[in-house]
Amino acid sequence: DIQMTQSPSSVSASVGDRVTITCRASQGLSSSLAWYQQRPGRAPKLLIYGVSSLQSGVPSRFSGSGSGTDFTLTISSLQPEDFASYYCQQTNSFPLTFGGGTKVEIK
Amino acid sequence: EVHLVESGGGLVQPGGSLRLSCAASGFTFSDHSMAWVRQAPGQGLEWVGRITNKAYSFTTEYAASVKGRFTISRDDSQNSLYLQMNSLKTEDTAVYYCGRFTSGYINYWGQGTLVTVSS
Repeated sequence: DIQMTQSPSSVSASVGDRVTITCRASQGLSSSLAWYQQRPGRAPKLLIYGVSSLQSGVPSRFSGSGSGTDFTLTISSLQPEDFASYYCQQTNSFPLTFGGGTKVEIK
Repeated sequence: EVHLVESGGGLVQPGGSLRLSCAASGFTFSDHSMAWVRQAPGQGLEWVGRITNKAYSFTTEYAASVKGRFTISRDDSQNSLYLQMNSLKTEDTAVYYCGRFTSGYINYWGQGTLVTVSS
């Protein structure tokens, strides 16, 4: 199975800050990576697929990058509604696996 | 608008069974693969399994943790997805989400239904 390791597990930031979350896979993924946002008490929401493709309706302050085993989700200017948990997921092979999550908290 | 609504969650004893349903609307259900993902209380996301559409022979894949105990099925005439859970364990306690599955990721999610396995 492909293991997905996210870091940090939590980050404190202020509105307007640039936030970067990393995700490392135990083996190469090509372009098979997605990112989700989950607000408290809500279902996850797809942000990015194929490493860097923005899902329709997602603000452009979210971006994804990376290749091989190392990937990054960047929020260019944190907004109040962005305080949430974020998960990466490899879409390369079954069983599909998620990272452990990163909680973005208000500083 | 895509809409997915799970139902069937509740309290069940260890060793028991439960069947979850997911009612889909707002898209051509029969064209799409579907999936289940779960989230234990206070924990991260765990993929449960996926079923393809008829064009791909309703093929299923499962996580190792549920293989042999859980079965995913669908009824395209009812626009419904199902998760039959047998031999339930306390560690199966979670919110279960259904989702529309595309190229390995889930682009639409239901609101989830809570399953509690406890004596």
